[in-house]
Amino acid sequence: DVKVTQSSRYLVKRTGEKVFLECVQDMDHENMFWYRQDPGLGLRLIYFSYDVKMKEKGDIPEGYSVSREKKERFSLILESASTNQTSMYLCASSPRGNGYTFGSGTRLTVV
Amino acid sequence: EDQVTQSPEALRLQEGESSSLNCSYTVSGLRGLFWYRQDPGKGPEFLFTLYSAGEEKEKERLKATLTKKESFLHITAPKPEDSATYLCAVQGLYGGSQGNLIFGKGTKLSVKP
Repeated sequence: DVKVTQSSRYLVKRTGEKVFLECVQDMDHENMFWYRQDPGLGLRLIYFSYDVKMKEKGDIPEGYSVSREKKERFSLILESASTNQTSMYLCASSPRGNGYTFGSGTRLTVV
Repeated sequence: EDQVTQSPEALRLQEGESSSLNCSYTVSGLRGLFWYRQDPGKGPEFLFTLYSAGEEKEKERLKATLTKKESFLHITAPKPEDSATYLCAVQGLYGGSQGNLIFGKGTKLSVKP
């Protein structure tokens, strides 16, 4: 089975901190994605990547950046965490032209 | 613009009471339609992929069907363990790396014993 592993299930960070969320997949998928999920708003795409060192903005990239130095790893960075970034963050990966496999999510609370 | 609308937003059923969830979509060329199940506090889990109108897929008490404009997830004689949020997503033929998924907001299903 494809595994998408997110480094933390729960995180609590302070306002203004730089936060790193890590995601690793083990099936050599080309595509990787970062979403946030909030009640009533559904899944919203933050950033995605189709290849190593490649990144594209999603629907809500403001306040976030990403890094993909290796094919299996896609990192989401909150440059200066704010309380409105408190959310569930979901990483996903897929081969080209196929559906996604999701990680188990990181519940981030910014205080 | 590609779009996915799921209805109802929430559905409460008694155990054994069969029903259907709806997913309406607009997409400029359908590559695939996907159903996911999501339990509270967890990531979505893949259920089905449908590729063409008339196609059906089954898994235990769930059956997914597809027409040119919508998909249904039929739940037969549900049990409390079927309680979850069910997400629908479509993938278009066009777009980078053969299309990102466009997700609906989900239907939250509660099955009472």
